[in-house]
Amino acid sequence: GAVVSQHPSWVICKSGTSVKIECRSLDFQATTMFWYRQFPKQSLMLMATSNEGSKATYEQGVEKDKFLINHASLTLSTLTVTSAHPEDSSFYICSARHTLGGGYTFGSGTRLTVV
Amino acid sequence: GENVEQHPSTLSVQEGDSAVIKCTYSDSASNYFPWYKQELGKRPQLIIDIRSNVGEKKDQRIAVTLNKTAKHFSLHITETQPEDSAVYFCAASTGGFKTIFGAGTRLFVKA
Repeated sequence: GAVVSQHPSWVICKSGTSVKIECRSLDFQATTMFWYRQFPKQSLMLMATSNEGSKATYEQGVEKDKFLINHASLTLSTLTVTSAHPEDSSFYICSARHTLGGGYTFGSGTRLTVV
Repeated sequence: GENVEQHPSTLSVQEGDSAVIKCTYSDSASNYFPWYKQELGKRPQLIIDIRSNVGEKKDQRIAVTLNKTAKHFSLHITETQPEDSAVYFCAASTGGFKTIFGAGTRLFVKA
């Protein structure tokens, strides 16, 4: 149980374009999802907390207009990287807290490369 | 703000030896401490967790200890095997809200 499906697993896009990443909780309802970014050989840095039906809460230094988060249902949260630049290239990963046991389940991650 | 420090950043052990990774946290309200193992290019996988009302938890070769007074928690892996080689992250969380991760420890187990 407690599976989070994340798509796409990898994407290459041109500078200036936008990319949408989806995370779905498959067998539980996730009222809250977290979006992280991980650069090579570094830790997971929390970007924002996504709450179903309300605005996301962004961490300091994360541009909310660049990283658009939508959590329209209890099972789906999306992160859109707008006007992507090469420095946005990273591994993006979502996680959701599941009510059973209170643990966190991670999506499989999305490797974004902006060329 | 909240902070989790993790040491060492790199750890190399001989197969069969034990490995210990230590973390400290700053937010005294933290009450949930998971540990994740991440292999290259893959998602972090929860390997063990501990809550603030428990001082120690063990699962086969893996154990975690928590000292709330000192805000320290540690991961202990005994009888290490080559497949234990990975990056390990500690984390601290407050009741279902955001989780703050340590910087990670790259563990190498030499056969």
